[in-house]
Order: sequence, then structure tokens, then C-alpha cells
Amino acid sequence: NAGVTQTPKFRILKIGQSMTLQCAQDMNHNYMYWYRQDPGMGLKLIYYSVGAGITDKGEVPNGYNVSRSTTEDFPLRLELAAPSQTSVYFCASSWGGQIQTYEQYFGPGTRLTVT
Amino acid sequence: TQLLEQSPQFLSIQEGENLTVYCNSSSVFSSLQWYRQEPGEGPVLLVTVVTGGEVKKLKRLTFQFGDARKDSSLHITAAQPGDTGLYLCAGGFTGTASKLTFGTGTRLQVTL
Repeated sequence: NAGVTQTPKFRILKIGQSMTLQCAQDMNHNYMYWYRQDPGMGLKLIYYSVGAGITDKGEVPNGYNVSRSTTEDFPLRLELAAPSQTSVYFCASSWGGQIQTYEQYFGPGTRLTVT
Repeated sequence: TQLLEQSPQFLSIQEGENLTVYCNSSSVFSSLQWYRQEPGEGPVLLVTVVTGGEVKKLKRLTFQFGDARKDSSLHITAAQPGDTGLYLCAGGFTGTASKLTFGTGTRLQVTL
């Protein structure tokens, strides 16, 4: 199993550009999450999904959009990039069965710079 | 909004020393987890604790969940350079789609 994969690893955007961060998992997990991590900080939840076709906002959703058309994929869309979106973005997944274990498995991250 | 505070924020010690990292909240958690994150990588789960007072050991790492399930500690015995990294605690609440609230982290550096 590859686990959780993210592409690209690095990206530089100009202000106002758009891009999609890709995330895929091969563990058949129901739940998926997008976080951002700013320097010296913990992780803040942007969006999450409890299954294909179902998404919901997290703590810091403004400026982002998500979709979940399959169990495996959970792309994050940035529209009109702003310098405040410079961060490292992590995708994670969790089993999400009847017994919630809360154990999340993370991808390697995408480092995004907006200038 | 549930908050998780970790202390200390930074810790620099020499190989062989012992250390304890703390994670505190005013909220009661259904479960609490510890992750370690190395530079340029995503967090990796170390342990999950779910019962108040629970103690789990992972080689030289000892994790404890407070009796009231509001706090936790991570103790490392005889630290090694390989223990260097960012340690994050994260709390989960029943019925929240396994969402986690993360602490701000403790950055540990272990030198020879």
C-alpha cells in the first residue's frame, strides 16, 4: 500500500492564480481531511469528508474548495491565491467505521508559496 | 473551540537525558493521540489513548492519559538523536467524524 499520496511536493504561485492539490489514499478509508500547517504552528483543519459526495468545512475553509467524487481521491482547490495561503498542506485519511478510532494517516505534504 | 496547549514549546537536550512533554486542555476528550513529525514529512501516529488514567509504553516512550481525560504526557527515557522532531498531541470528540484538534507542538532536539 502506498498509503496517502500528495502531489505536487512543492509549488510557487503568483497572487490571483489557482491550483488544485491532489490527494489519494489506497487504504479504503471513509474519512479524509485537509490541513494547513504554518511555521511553528500545529495543524488547522480546512475541509473534511466522511465519504464520497459528502464534504464539510473545518476551522479555516475560506479561500478553498474541495470535492470527493470517489473514496480514494480528495482534491483541494485554491481559487485566487493570496500570500496568506503560503503554508504546508497535509492530506490525511481515517477509517471512519462504527467505532471511531480517530487515528489519522498523513501524506508527505505540499509546500505552497504564494508571491 | 477546543484548545490544546503543549509545553514546553522547544526542548534541546543531550543524548541520554530524560524528558517529559505535556498536553493540556479544558475539554474532555474521547481519545487523545500523539504524533511525531520529522522535517519535510507528515505526522506519524505514535499512540492512541482512550481511557482515563491509561498508560501506554512504546519502547523508551511512555504515554499517559489524565484521569479526567483532559490532559496527557509523553515521557522519553534516555533520549536519542533519532527522537528529534516535532511532537504533536491531538484530541478527538465522539460524534465528530473522527476530527482531531491538534496542539501547537513541542519541538525536540537531541544532540550527541
